[in-house]
Amino acid sequence: KNEVEQSPQNLTAQEGEFITINCSYSVGISALHWLQQHPGGGIVSLFMLSSGKKKHGRLIATINIQEKHSSLHITASHPRDSAVYICAVSENYGGSQGNLIFGKGTKLSVKP
Amino acid sequence: KAGVTQTPRYLIKTRGQQVTLSCSPISGHRSVSWYQQTPGQGLQFLFEYFSETQRNKGNFPGRFSGRQFSNSRSEMNVSTLELGDSALYLCASSTSGTVTQYFGPGTRLLVL
Repeated sequence: KNEVEQSPQNLTAQEGEFITINCSYSVGISALHWLQQHPGGGIVSLFMLSSGKKKHGRLIATINIQEKHSSLHITASHPRDSAVYICAVSENYGGSQGNLIFGKGTKLSVKP
Repeated sequence: KAGVTQTPRYLIKTRGQQVTLSCSPISGHRSVSWYQQTPGQGLQFLFEYFSETQRNKGNFPGRFSGRQFSNSRSEMNVSTLELGDSALYLCASSTSGTVTQYFGPGTRLLVL
């Protein structure tokens, strides 16, 4: 079993729809990250969370530490949101926080 | 501030050769992490360097090595290349004491 599981693997939405991507993890973490990867490979860090909720524009990320679960929401989705969204965790073992454990990603396609 | 840069962006090698990839972090960032991305395995952590010291290493064979220089620039080396080493190699930098990582555009390596 992977330490970081994402669902769904693929998601197709119509422009304007509300989108939710889920992430569950099985290890103790110091932080959870949501990343966005566009075709061509470049990765952008969207959020880093250790508790609660963060909002940036149309993106909202939440985390429930007790349930080991996080969600990424996109409101009023747009075709430019089409990308792969990756959940990653920094494992909490008291050492370096420079290594991440990644989920397999959710490929989002938003149709006009 | 300039972002994370990686050179070269694309590389073709043959089996048995060795390769060196370079990563220049954002100015002031002392931590550099390296990741491998393949279609089958997704993103996997290779190693992290902080102030010229390898702080953590992922589960990769000894053919994969790296180093960091006093100006925080980092190189990774893969010796005796195998077909399975074909991948996108990403580096990410961060400041001391934080876990927000900023990714470079990656080096796409093809081993023939």
